[in-house]
Amino acid sequence: DGGITQSPKYLFRKEGQNVTLSCEQNLNHDAMYWYRQDPGQGLRLIYYSQIVNDFQKGDIAEGYSVSREKKESFPLTVTSAQKNPTAFYLCASRAGGPRETQYFGPGTRLLVL
Amino acid sequence: QQQVKQSPQSLIVQKGGISIINCAYENTAFDYFPWYQQFPGKGPALLIAIRPDVSEKKEGRFTISFNKSAKQFSLHIMDSQPGDSATYFCAASTQETSGSRLTFGEGTQLTVNP
Repeated sequence: DGGITQSPKYLFRKEGQNVTLSCEQNLNHDAMYWYRQDPGQGLRLIYYSQIVNDFQKGDIAEGYSVSREKKESFPLTVTSAQKNPTAFYLCASRAGGPRETQYFGPGTRLLVL
Repeated sequence: QQQVKQSPQSLIVQKGGISIINCAYENTAFDYFPWYQQFPGKGPALLIAIRPDVSEKKEGRFTISFNKSAKQFSLHIMDSQPGDSATYFCAASTQETSGSRLTFGEGTQLTVNP
């Protein structure tokens, strides 16, 4: 099946700990995105990448880091600098054209212990 | 900052009724306007989308109306069903030097009562 997978479904972080959220796609899409979703605030863009080995900050990049070493993978690290990490994190991918649809993964819910 | 304003925040409709969700934007560089549907605990899924050179697009019970001069667009759900109960997001796309990105509205939680 083609699609986007995110793991784990739930993730718990202790104070001062870095955690990494996985996002993998087998759609052969060039672009990938990370969003954060909080109740009543819609989806906010954290980072995005149009091609391998290149990525851009979104609107709320502070406290997060990413890498894009492979076309299929775009992991997100929530660092200890992110003071309010509890949220639902969504990964998306998009084919190359400017008006192509973004397809979303099932999400990872991050909770702080 | 690019923004898309969405209203209402929540909407309750009776089965068979019409659900209407509105969005407004300021940035005239937006060139593509999708609507997403999200069920609890799931990722959003594309519902329907429109380009700014079209005033209306219909797919089944779902219609987007687009008013370019007013910089507003809306989603109409005809014959609303309990299975339509979900959160709906409007979005707008821009092309930047760093690539294409979407800006999302705040979301509307729709409840369709049986």
